[in-house]
Amino acid sequence: KAGVTQTPRYLIKTRGQQVTLSCSPISGHRSVSWYQQTPGQGLQFLFEYFSETQRNKGNFPGRFSGRQFSNSRSEMNVSTLELGDSALYLCASRLDRGRPYEQYFGPGTRLTVT
Amino acid sequence: GESVGLHLPTLSVQEGDNSIINCAYSNSASDYFIWYKQESGKGPQFIIDIRSNMDKRQGQRVTVLLNKTVKHLSLQIAATQPGDSAVYFCAESREGYGGSQGNLIFGKGTKLSVKP
Repeated sequence: KAGVTQTPRYLIKTRGQQVTLSCSPISGHRSVSWYQQTPGQGLQFLFEYFSETQRNKGNFPGRFSGRQFSNSRSEMNVSTLELGDSALYLCASRLDRGRPYEQYFGPGTRLTVT
Repeated sequence: GESVGLHLPTLSVQEGDNSIINCAYSNSASDYFIWYKQESGKGPQFIIDIRSNMDKRQGQRVTVLLNKTVKHLSLQIAATQPGDSAVYFCAESREGYGGSQGNLIFGKGTKLSVKP
């Protein structure tokens, strides 16, 4: 079974621009969560989507948004990029039954804002 | 690698020795505690979990201990191998809106280096 895939793997953007990152979960997984990873703050939860609905949200500004499609694929968008948004953005998927905390992570998208 | 922080605690062990990685958690109301392993250039990989009503859980070469009195979690790796070299994160799982457990709260991580 294929793992979680994220595209693109690397991205360089300029301050003020916007960016969209994509995540394809493991087949059959309906929950997708997004995390931001930086050296200073570590791994921080952004939001979770399930059945095209945002089910949980972390403490990030409204510039960070996401959505989920009917095939469970998810995208996250960051508008008006700031230098501090440079990070590794990780997507994780899981089954929504059984052991819900057993999340499977993708390799991440490395975003650099200049 | 991409995922390693600049000031992570580091544990260096000899191949074949046992490793113990420690973590302090913050919320006594967390339902589950989980250990993840992150190798350079990869996303975190699930290792083992423990429910809040348990003290100990064993997996293959790994054991997780939970001490709720002092809010402490540890991961023991037996017969550590070079392939175990990675950054290890503990995480807490909490209920979110609508009963979701998709919200993981991660610790800062510990870098494990295994010397051959």
